Amino acid sequence: EVQLLESGGGLEQPGGSLRLTCVASGFSFKNYVMNWVRQAPGKAPEWVSTISETGSTYYTDSVKGRFTISRDNSRNTLFLQMNGLRVDDTAVYYCARDIPGIGNFDIWGPGTMVTVST
Amino acid sequence: AIQMTQSPSSLSASVGDRVTISCRASQAISNYLGWFQQKPGKAPKILIYAASTLISGVPSRFNGSGSGTDFTLTISSLQPEDFATYYCLHDYNFPLTFGGGTKVDIK
Repeated sequence: EVQLLESGGGLEQPGGSLRLTCVASGFSFKNYVMNWVRQAPGKAPEWVSTISETGSTYYTDSVKGRFTISRDNSRNTLFLQMNGLRVDDTAVYYCARDIPGIGNFDIWGPGTMVTVST
Repeated sequence: AIQMTQSPSSLSASVGDRVTISCRASQAISNYLGWFQQKPGKAPKILIYAASTLISGVPSRFNGSGSGTDFTLTISSLQPEDFATYYCLHDYNFPLTFGGGTKVDIK
């Protein structure tokens, strides 16, 4: 079964750091573009970052310079290092797989909650 | 960044109704558009990609159309399991952006 499973969320103070992990199973992870998407409570989803099969990376403006996406193909794992956390980073964070050659997101994990608060 | 404007933001409908949701892009995006369904506490689920291609396993009552700037998701005969929030997403270029959502609830 094709699956994604996120972990690493939690409560962190403003200015702190968290590292999110997404473990993939059931497909050839190294061949897929992968993404992070977040959704603040009661809001629409927001694309955060993308990493290509070859390691090219893209970020939404609000996280540039603070968040870093990376992948370890030997462990079928996607990461999101989040530094300089802000209250408005509070959201459920999802990892999502691209449809090959198409874009858009066909497989999503269940999400991990990140809360940034004093 | 391309803005995606969805309308309406909410609607009330009955089982069996035909429902239409619109999504407008602030600039032409060809057919680089997907539609998602989200139920409370769950991740979004893709229904349609490339504006009109139905994902395998999605019921044929869901239909997507449009190109350029104007897109439509139509549910031909609303079923009880279709009450949810629907989002469009463009993947024409970075940054990818979602529409604001359309909540479909029971009349």
